[in-house]
Amino acid sequence: QKEVEQNSGPLSVPEGAIASLNCTYSDRGSQSFFWYRQYSGKSPELIMSIYSNGDKEDGRFTAQLNKASQYVSLLIRDSQPSDSATYLCAAIHGSSNTGKLIFGQGTTLQVKP
Amino acid sequence: AAGVIQSPRHLIKEKRETATLKCYPIPRHDTVYWYQQGPGQDPQFLISFYEKMQSDKGSIPDRFSAQQFSDYHSELNMSSLELGDSALYFCASSLGPRLAGGPFIQYFGAGTRLSVL
Repeated sequence: QKEVEQNSGPLSVPEGAIASLNCTYSDRGSQSFFWYRQYSGKSPELIMSIYSNGDKEDGRFTAQLNKASQYVSLLIRDSQPSDSATYLCAAIHGSSNTGKLIFGQGTTLQVKP
Repeated sequence: AAGVIQSPRHLIKEKRETATLKCYPIPRHDTVYWYQQGPGQDPQFLISFYEKMQSDKGSIPDRFSAQQFSDYHSELNMSSLELGDSALYFCASSLGPRLAGGPFIQYFGAGTRLSVL
């Protein structure tokens, strides 16, 4: 079992809809969580970071963290075809003081025009 | 804003050859991370450096070595290349640490695509 789990998808949503991406993690000590967007063959691009329980909003993106449930999510409002990509959830292990990222397998999002 | 620079972008090698990948972090960033991403897989942590010292080590083969230089750039040296080493290699940098609760936000370079034939 991976330390960070995501549904690989694909998740298909119509243009303009809300896309909801989910991630669970097994290390209860993990403190820092990140969402990266990765287009095919390209590098991961940081979308959001979240460290505290609750919601964090940035433009069309909202990250949600629930440490009790060990659950992180990313909501994308008004989804656009350009949002079609793989979304990687990443965590820093609770025992790490070096910041190495543990990635989930990624969820492929398809936004249909 | 300046980003993480990786070179070369593409590299084709034969089995048993050696390869050197270079990474120039974002200015003022003192921590460099290397990740390997195989086809259809998520990035896997290889190794990291903070202030020119190795700070962490992941699933990096013994055939690979890396270092960080005085100007903070890093090089990943890969020897006795195998077909299975074909992958995207990403370098990321962050401004460390190590404040309690420091975020370690990492920014990734464009990557080097290594093909071993």
